[in-house]
Amino acid sequence: EAGVAQSPRYKIIEKRQSVAFWCNPISGHATLYWYQQILGQGPKLLIQFQNNGVVDDSQLPKDRFSAERLKGVDSTLKIQPAKLEDSAVYLCASSLERSYNEQFFGPGTRLTVL
Amino acid sequence: AQSVTQLGSHVSVSEGALVLLRCNYSSSVPPYLFWYVQYPNQGLQLLLKYTTGATLVKGINGFEAEFKKSETSFHLTKPSAHMSDAAEYFCAVNKMRGGSRLTFGEGTQLTVNP
Repeated sequence: EAGVAQSPRYKIIEKRQSVAFWCNPISGHATLYWYQQILGQGPKLLIQFQNNGVVDDSQLPKDRFSAERLKGVDSTLKIQPAKLEDSAVYLCASSLERSYNEQFFGPGTRLTVL
Repeated sequence: AQSVTQLGSHVSVSEGALVLLRCNYSSSVPPYLFWYVQYPNQGLQLLLKYTTGATLVKGINGFEAEFKKSETSFHLTKPSAHMSDAAEYFCAVNKMRGGSRLTFGEGTQLTVNP
């Protein structure tokens, strides 16, 4: 079974530039999550999709972050414009629907904002 | 609201010694509890989870954890540490009802000395 795929693995940009990350979840997983993991901290949920609908985006900085999952499969997360404090690893995860189900994580995209 | 506190951001043990990583949670409803491991430059991998039933949960790689409701704890143990156990460990809590936001602790970096 293929795991969660993410690209790119690494990205370096300057502040005020824009950047996009891509995620392809495990086949058949209806729920997709984007997390932000700042160095030395645990992952923090940014947005959760159920199929192509948003379930929880309460911690997403909507003035600069956006995400979509148009066909209920893969997803993109965008930051525009980026700030220095956005430097982090962005993790994508997917799961079956229920809250007790394991979330399967991709390898992450390490973003450095200079 | 739910939260997780991991006591000790860094734990160091000798190879063959007992591993004990502490996790306390706060949840207004019965929780689901998880331990994840993260190796360098990789995503998170599930070690074990508590949903309902038996309070002593066994996971992969010889790890186990015990859910103690009276102490609101879910400590992770392994009788004998291996060098390959060196990694960062995250405790996480989810709600049985009312949504599926996984809340992570800050993580504990485990070092195994030869």
